[in-house]
Amino acid sequence: QLQLQESGPRLVKPSETLSLTCTVSGDSISSSSYYWGWIRQSPGKGLEWIGSKYYSGRTYFNPSLMSRVTISLDPSNNQFSLKLSSVTAADTAIYYCAKQEAIAARIFDFWGQGTLVTVSS
Amino acid sequence: DIQMTQSPPSLSASVGDRVTITCRASQDIRNSLAWYQQRPGQAPKVLIFDASTLQSGVPSRFSGSGSGTDFTLTISSLQPEDAATYYCQKYNTGLFTFGPGTKVDLK
Repeated sequence: QLQLQESGPRLVKPSETLSLTCTVSGDSISSSSYYWGWIRQSPGKGLEWIGSKYYSGRTYFNPSLMSRVTISLDPSNNQFSLKLSSVTAADTAIYYCAKQEAIAARIFDFWGQGTLVTVSS
Repeated sequence: DIQMTQSPPSLSASVGDRVTITCRASQDIRNSLAWYQQRPGQAPKVLIFDASTLQSGVPSRFSGSGSGTDFTLTISSLQPEDAATYYCQKYNTGLFTFGPGTKVDLK
């Protein structure tokens, strides 16, 4: 069974870079069948897709965040990561990593449990 | 960019009721639409993809319909465990936008 687990600092200072890692077990992130994505949810709000990356390197980004987002794959550790630069309080959210189907319906079918990241000095 | 809207923003219904949630895209997305359920404190779970295909393991009381710009999620007989927020998501292009959500409460 595929499992994903987010990890990283829970508190980030304004203007700094938020960094999260998602560790995948049960399948390879080098698979040609999947994207690997990040979605966030501000407290009490809806889901906001951040970006998705394919094993080949092709990456899709939410245009509203694109200038601040980097998504990387680390096949040697079966992990992928998110970096969000120049954070403000508006970036306080639960951050989810997820596996996304790449062949047909590009749905997010496996999710991590999510990790709350707070931006505060 | 294609915008996704949902209605109603919230609803309250009784166990056994038929519940219908609507999702609208600002442009034609064919049938490239999924529905997710998010229970309080949990990660979202996909219910339906390709507008009307039930994801494996999802109860048959959930169904989806529509194509183009207008889509519907129906719960044929609401159960207590269906109290959740429901989101639509488009995937016709590389912008995987979610709708704003519909919160379903039990009366």
